[in-house]
Amino acid sequence: AQTVTQSQPEMSVQEAETVTLSCTYDTSESDYYLFWYKQPPSRQMILVIRQEAYKQQNATENRFSVNFQKAAKSFSLKISDSQLGDAAMYFCAYRPTPNYQLIWGAGTKLIIKP
Amino acid sequence: SAVISQKPSRDICQRGTSLTIQCQVDSQVTMMFWYRQQPGQSLTLIATANQGSEATYESGFVIDKFPISRPNLTFSTLTVSNMSPEDSSIYLCSVAAGGKDEQFFGPGTRLTVL
Repeated sequence: AQTVTQSQPEMSVQEAETVTLSCTYDTSESDYYLFWYKQPPSRQMILVIRQEAYKQQNATENRFSVNFQKAAKSFSLKISDSQLGDAAMYFCAYRPTPNYQLIWGAGTKLIIKP
Repeated sequence: SAVISQKPSRDICQRGTSLTIQCQVDSQVTMMFWYRQQPGQSLTLIATANQGSEATYESGFVIDKFPISRPNLTFSTLTVSNMSPEDSSIYLCSVAAGGKDEQFFGPGTRLTVL
Protein backbone atom coordinates (compact mmCIF):
# COMPACT_ATOMS: atom_id res chain seq x y z
CA ALA A 1 0.00 0.00 0.00
CA GLN A 2 1.08 3.53 -0.67
CA THR A 3 1.76 5.44 2.52
CA VAL A 4 3.25 8.77 3.58
CA THR A 5 5.03 9.13 6.92
CA GLN A 6 5.89 12.33 8.74
CA SER A 7 7.82 11.26 11.81
CA GLN A 8 7.95 14.67 13.50
CA PRO A 9 4.62 15.59 15.12
CA GLU A 10 6.04 18.96 16.16
CA MET A 11 9.09 21.07 15.38
CA SER A 12 10.19 24.43 16.68
CA VAL A 13 12.69 26.89 15.31
CA GLN A 14 13.96 30.33 16.20
CA GLU A 15 12.84 33.12 13.92
CA ALA A 16 15.30 33.72 11.04
CA GLU A 17 16.83 30.26 11.38
CA THR A 18 16.47 27.23 9.11
CA VAL A 19 14.33 24.18 9.78
CA THR A 20 13.88 20.91 7.92
CA LEU A 21 10.69 18.85 8.01
CA SER A 22 10.92 15.16 7.15
CA CYS A 23 8.69 13.05 4.93
CA THR A 24 9.10 9.50 3.66
CA TYR A 25 6.76 7.57 1.43
CA ASP A 26 6.28 4.05 0.22
CA THR A 27 5.38 3.25 -3.36
CA SER A 28 6.23 0.87 -6.16
CA GLU A 29 5.37 3.48 -8.79
CA SER A 30 8.10 5.22 -10.76
CA ASP A 31 6.09 8.24 -11.84
CA TYR A 32 4.36 10.42 -9.26
CA TYR A 33 4.12 13.84 -7.68
CA LEU A 34 5.01 14.99 -4.20
CA PHE A 35 3.66 18.07 -2.46
CA TRP A 36 4.06 20.06 0.70
CA TYR A 37 0.98 21.89 1.93
CA LYS A 38 0.75 24.41 4.75
CA GLN A 39 -2.33 24.80 6.95
CA PRO A 40 -2.24 27.82 9.29
CA PRO A 41 -4.76 28.25 12.10
CA SER A 42 -7.13 29.81 9.58
CA ARG A 43 -7.35 26.19 8.24
CA GLN A 44 -6.86 27.26 4.62
CA MET A 45 -4.74 24.56 2.95
CA ILE A 46 -2.02 26.27 0.90
CA LEU A 47 0.28 24.59 -1.60
CA VAL A 48 3.89 25.35 -0.69
CA ILE A 49 5.90 23.37 -3.22
CA ARG A 50 5.62 20.44 -5.63
CA GLN A 51 8.11 17.94 -7.06
CA GLU A 52 7.76 15.64 -10.05
CA ALA A 53 9.44 12.29 -9.49
CA TYR A 54 11.03 12.25 -12.94
CA LYS A 55 12.91 15.47 -12.20
CA GLN A 56 16.24 15.07 -10.46
CA GLN A 57 16.51 18.74 -9.66
CA ASN A 58 15.10 19.71 -6.27
CA ALA A 59 12.20 22.17 -6.39
CA THR A 60 12.65 25.62 -4.88
CA GLU A 61 10.13 28.36 -4.12
CA ASN A 62 11.74 31.41 -2.52
CA ARG A 63 12.62 30.41 1.07
CA PHE A 64 11.23 26.89 0.62
CA SER A 65 13.19 24.08 -0.94
CA VAL A 66 13.03 20.31 -0.95
CA ASN A 67 15.56 17.54 -0.73
CA PHE A 68 14.13 14.80 -2.93
CA GLN A 69 15.87 11.45 -2.62
CA LYS A 70 13.96 9.10 -4.93
CA ALA A 71 15.89 5.94 -4.13
CA ALA A 72 15.45 6.53 -0.42
CA LYS A 73 11.81 7.63 -0.94
CA SER A 74 12.47 10.75 1.07
CA PHE A 75 11.06 14.23 0.49
CA SER A 76 12.08 16.77 3.13
CA LEU A 77 11.15 20.45 3.22
CA LYS A 78 13.67 23.10 4.17
CA ILE A 79 12.46 26.50 5.29
CA SER A 80 15.16 29.16 5.35
CA ASP A 81 15.02 32.44 7.27
CA SER A 82 11.94 31.29 9.19
CA GLN A 83 9.27 33.91 9.73
CA LEU A 84 6.45 34.11 12.26
CA GLY A 85 3.99 33.65 9.42
CA ASP A 86 5.45 30.23 8.69
CA ALA A 87 3.88 28.84 11.86
CA ALA A 88 1.38 26.20 10.71
CA MET A 89 0.73 22.52 10.22
CA TYR A 90 2.72 21.17 7.29
CA PHE A 91 1.46 18.17 5.38
CA CYS A 92 3.39 16.05 2.93
CA ALA A 93 1.30 14.46 0.18
CA TYR A 94 1.92 11.92 -2.57
CA ARG A 95 0.02 11.53 -5.82
CA PRO A 96 0.60 8.76 -8.32
CA THR A 97 0.04 9.69 -11.95
CA PRO A 98 -2.44 9.84 -13.57
CA ASN A 99 -4.60 9.43 -10.47
CA TYR A 100 -5.69 12.69 -8.83
CA GLN A 101 -6.11 11.23 -5.36
CA LEU A 102 -3.66 12.58 -2.79
CA ILE A 103 -2.25 10.39 -0.03
CA TRP A 104 -1.45 12.45 3.05
CA GLY A 105 1.02 12.31 5.89
CA ALA A 106 -0.11 12.94 9.46
CA GLY A 107 1.35 16.45 9.51
CA THR A 108 4.05 18.33 11.42
CA LYS A 109 3.21 21.32 13.58
CA LEU A 110 5.82 24.03 13.09
CA ILE A 111 6.32 26.55 15.89
CA ILE A 112 8.32 29.71 15.28
CA LYS A 113 9.93 31.26 18.34
CA PRO A 114 10.33 35.04 18.19
CA SER B 1 -4.71 28.66 -9.66
CA ALA B 2 -8.39 28.60 -8.69
CA VAL B 3 -10.27 30.65 -6.12
CA ILE B 4 -12.63 28.51 -4.09
CA SER B 5 -15.28 29.61 -1.61
CA GLN B 6 -17.24 27.50 0.83
CA LYS B 7 -20.46 28.18 2.71
CA PRO B 8 -20.96 28.10 5.61
CA SER B 9 -17.55 28.73 7.12
CA ARG B 10 -18.71 27.13 10.35
CA ASP B 11 -21.84 25.78 11.95
CA ILE B 12 -23.05 24.19 15.15
CA CYS B 13 -25.74 21.59 14.60
CA GLN B 14 -27.91 19.28 16.64
CA ARG B 15 -27.60 15.53 16.52
CA GLY B 16 -29.88 13.93 13.92
CA THR B 17 -30.07 16.95 11.62
CA SER B 18 -28.41 17.48 8.23
CA LEU B 19 -26.16 20.22 6.89
CA THR B 20 -25.40 21.08 3.29
CA ILE B 21 -22.03 22.64 2.48
CA GLN B 22 -21.57 24.57 -0.74
CA CYS B 23 -18.39 24.86 -2.78
CA GLN B 24 -18.04 27.47 -5.54
CA VAL B 25 -15.06 27.80 -7.89
CA ASP B 26 -14.23 30.87 -9.97
CA SER B 27 -13.49 28.81 -13.09
CA GLN B 28 -14.66 25.59 -14.71
CA VAL B 29 -12.84 22.55 -13.37
CA THR B 30 -13.15 18.89 -14.15
CA MET B 31 -12.10 17.39 -10.85
CA MET B 32 -13.68 18.39 -7.54
CA PHE B 33 -13.11 16.59 -4.27
CA TRP B 34 -14.51 16.58 -0.75
CA TYR B 35 -12.30 15.88 2.25
CA ARG B 36 -12.88 15.47 5.96
CA GLN B 37 -10.32 16.55 8.53
CA GLN B 38 -11.11 15.34 12.02
CA PRO B 39 -9.65 17.28 14.96
CA GLY B 40 -5.86 17.04 15.03
CA GLN B 41 -5.83 14.68 12.08
CA SER B 42 -4.76 14.69 8.46
CA LEU B 43 -7.16 14.82 5.51
CA THR B 44 -9.33 11.92 4.42
CA LEU B 45 -10.91 11.89 0.98
CA ILE B 46 -14.66 11.40 1.15
CA ALA B 47 -15.48 11.38 -2.56
CA THR B 48 -14.82 12.77 -6.00
CA ALA B 49 -17.69 14.90 -7.26
CA ASN B 50 -18.41 14.07 -10.89
CA GLN B 51 -20.32 16.48 -13.10
CA GLY B 52 -23.38 14.84 -14.60
CA SER B 53 -23.00 11.55 -12.78
CA GLU B 54 -22.93 10.07 -9.30
CA ALA B 55 -20.01 10.87 -7.03
CA THR B 56 -17.27 8.30 -6.52
CA TYR B 57 -16.99 7.44 -2.83
CA GLU B 58 -13.95 6.21 -0.95
CA SER B 59 -14.00 3.20 1.30
CA GLY B 60 -15.87 3.94 4.50
CA PHE B 61 -18.07 6.66 3.03
CA VAL B 62 -21.56 6.09 1.59
CA ILE B 63 -23.96 8.15 -0.45
CA ASP B 64 -26.76 7.92 2.11
CA LYS B 65 -24.59 9.61 4.74
CA PHE B 66 -22.74 12.06 2.45
CA PRO B 67 -24.85 12.82 -0.62
CA ILE B 68 -23.03 15.00 -3.14
CA SER B 69 -24.34 17.07 -6.01
CA ARG B 70 -22.34 18.51 -8.92
CA PRO B 71 -24.79 20.34 -11.21
CA ASN B 72 -22.07 22.12 -13.24
CA LEU B 73 -18.32 22.58 -13.57
CA THR B 74 -18.06 25.36 -10.97
CA PHE B 75 -20.28 24.21 -8.10
CA SER B 76 -20.79 21.27 -5.77
CA THR B 77 -22.54 20.51 -2.50
CA LEU B 78 -21.84 18.00 0.23
CA THR B 79 -24.57 17.07 2.69
CA VAL B 80 -23.75 15.54 6.04
CA SER B 81 -26.88 13.59 6.96
CA ASN B 82 -28.28 12.42 10.27
CA MET B 83 -25.35 13.96 12.09
CA SER B 84 -23.74 12.63 15.25
CA PRO B 85 -20.93 14.16 17.36
CA GLU B 86 -18.47 11.92 15.47
CA ASP B 87 -19.17 14.02 12.37
CA SER B 88 -17.61 17.07 14.02
CA SER B 89 -14.79 17.93 11.62
CA ILE B 90 -13.53 20.38 9.08
CA TYR B 91 -14.91 19.65 5.63
CA LEU B 92 -12.80 20.85 2.71
CA CYS B 93 -13.57 21.18 -0.95
CA SER B 94 -10.70 20.99 -3.42
CA VAL B 95 -10.22 21.16 -7.18
CA ALA B 96 -7.54 20.04 -9.58
CA ALA B 97 -6.68 23.02 -11.74
CA GLY B 98 -3.90 25.21 -13.06
CA GLY B 99 -2.51 22.84 -15.66
CA LYS B 100 0.08 21.55 -13.23
CA ASP B 101 -1.97 18.76 -11.69
CA GLU B 102 -2.14 20.66 -8.43
CA GLN B 103 -5.01 20.62 -6.01
CA PHE B 104 -6.33 23.86 -4.57
CA PHE B 105 -8.45 23.99 -1.47
CA GLY B 106 -11.36 26.00 -0.20
CA PRO B 107 -11.22 27.62 3.24
CA GLY B 108 -13.09 24.73 4.84
CA THR B 109 -16.26 24.42 6.88
CA ARG B 110 -15.88 23.76 10.59
CA LEU B 111 -18.78 21.61 11.75
CA THR B 112 -19.60 20.96 15.39
CA VAL B 113 -22.35 18.49 16.23
CA LEU B 114 -23.84 18.61 19.72
